[in-house]
Amino acid sequence: DGGITQSPKYLFRKEGQNVTLSCEQNLNHDAMYWYRQDPGQGLRLIYYSQIVNDFQKGDIAEGYSVSREKKESFPLTVTSAQKNPTAFYLCASSMRDLGRDTQYFGPGTRLTVL
Amino acid sequence: QKEVEQNSGPLSVPEGAIASLNCTYSDRGSQSFFWYRQYSGKSPELIMSIYSNGDKEDGRFTAQLNKASQYVSLLIRDSQPSDSATYLCAVNAGRNTPLVFGKGTRLSVIA
Repeated sequence: DGGITQSPKYLFRKEGQNVTLSCEQNLNHDAMYWYRQDPGQGLRLIYYSQIVNDFQKGDIAEGYSVSREKKESFPLTVTSAQKNPTAFYLCASSMRDLGRDTQYFGPGTRLTVL
Repeated sequence: QKEVEQNSGPLSVPEGAIASLNCTYSDRGSQSFFWYRQYSGKSPELIMSIYSNGDKEDGRFTAQLNKASQYVSLLIRDSQPSDSATYLCAVNAGRNTPLVFGKGTRLSVIA
């Protein structure tokens, strides 16, 4: 089956810890994205990448880092510098044109800071 | 800052009625428009995309785009309780730039 997988589904972090969220896609999409969603809020863009080894900051990149070593993978690290990381994290992918091509979403990772 | 505005709702409609969801956007140069449905605790799923002025129909869903007035709407005919969800409007912010999402409208279809 083609699609986007995210793991883990739920993640608990102690304050001061870095955690990495996984995102993999087998849709042969060039572009990948990370969003954060807080209760009752829309999607806020953290980082995006159009090609391997290149990525751009979104609107709320502070406290997060990403890598794009493979076309299929776009992991997100939530660092200890992110002061309020509890949220629902969504990974998405699309073909090459960021604004025209449909974005498809993974099932999400719910991160809770203890 | 490119903006996409939606009424947060909740919008309540009786089963079988037409639900009308609206979205306005600030960038007159926007060319691509998307409607996503998001059930509580789940990820967004695409309902429709629209790129040209006018109506686009897909089953019970109709997207309407008016670029001159800078709004896009989604009509859901014969609303069902299973349509109860949050509907997100997304608009492109410029050539080859990521989509900008509205905060969503929560729809409740009452049986």
